[in-house]
Amino acid sequence: DADVTQTPRNRITKTGKRIMLECSQTKGHDRMYWYRQDPGLGLQLIYYSFDVKDINKGEISDGYSVSRQAQAKFSLSLESAIPNQTALYFCATSDPRTPTGELFFGEGSRLTVL
Amino acid sequence: AQSVTQPDIHITVSEGASLELRCNYSYGATPYLFWYVQSPGQGLQLLLKYFSGDTLVQGIKGFEAEFKRSQSSFNLRKPSVHWSDAAEYFCAVAPTGGNKLVFGAGTILRVKS
Repeated sequence: DADVTQTPRNRITKTGKRIMLECSQTKGHDRMYWYRQDPGLGLQLIYYSFDVKDINKGEISDGYSVSRQAQAKFSLSLESAIPNQTALYFCATSDPRTPTGELFFGEGSRLTVL
Repeated sequence: AQSVTQPDIHITVSEGASLELRCNYSYGATPYLFWYVQSPGQGLQLLLKYFSGDTLVQGIKGFEAEFKRSQSSFNLRKPSVHWSDAAEYFCAVAPTGGNKLVFGAGTILRVKS
């Protein structure tokens, strides 16, 4: 089983709908992240959380919200989806005890907003 | 703020040929440096990382990268490419102390037989 699991893997929705992407991890890492990938733009950080009580905005947080339900769970919500939020979304984790802070990624959630 | 530039959007190489993917970063101090690979339909997998010491680092799948402070570069190399190396490659940097990674736009590698 994957260490970082994202659900759903694919979702098609309509403009104005509320969408939640879920992420769970079994790595025991305190830090969790949501990134968005667009062709030619690489990955951009949406939100990150260093522990259950800590939530921080990333570069492109407008239109998104998150919830850290437990150490192992970090959800991303789009309250009212719009077409330019069509993208591939990645959840990632890192271990603060690792000096370099490398990220471990889930397999991605592809979201299409019509 | 730190930034990462991958000048090549697409690269095509023949199977068995050597490969070099370029990465330049902008940051005041020496950051932590990473290369990730994304195969189609997959998440990102860490190939290698640099944070101190020997400037030539070895990674998985036969890849290596060299940190050149004077050029603010961290180029990825492989002596002989295999068809299974076709993927998208991302360079990333993090300030000393880790935490938030900043990614380049990625380079798509195509391997022709």
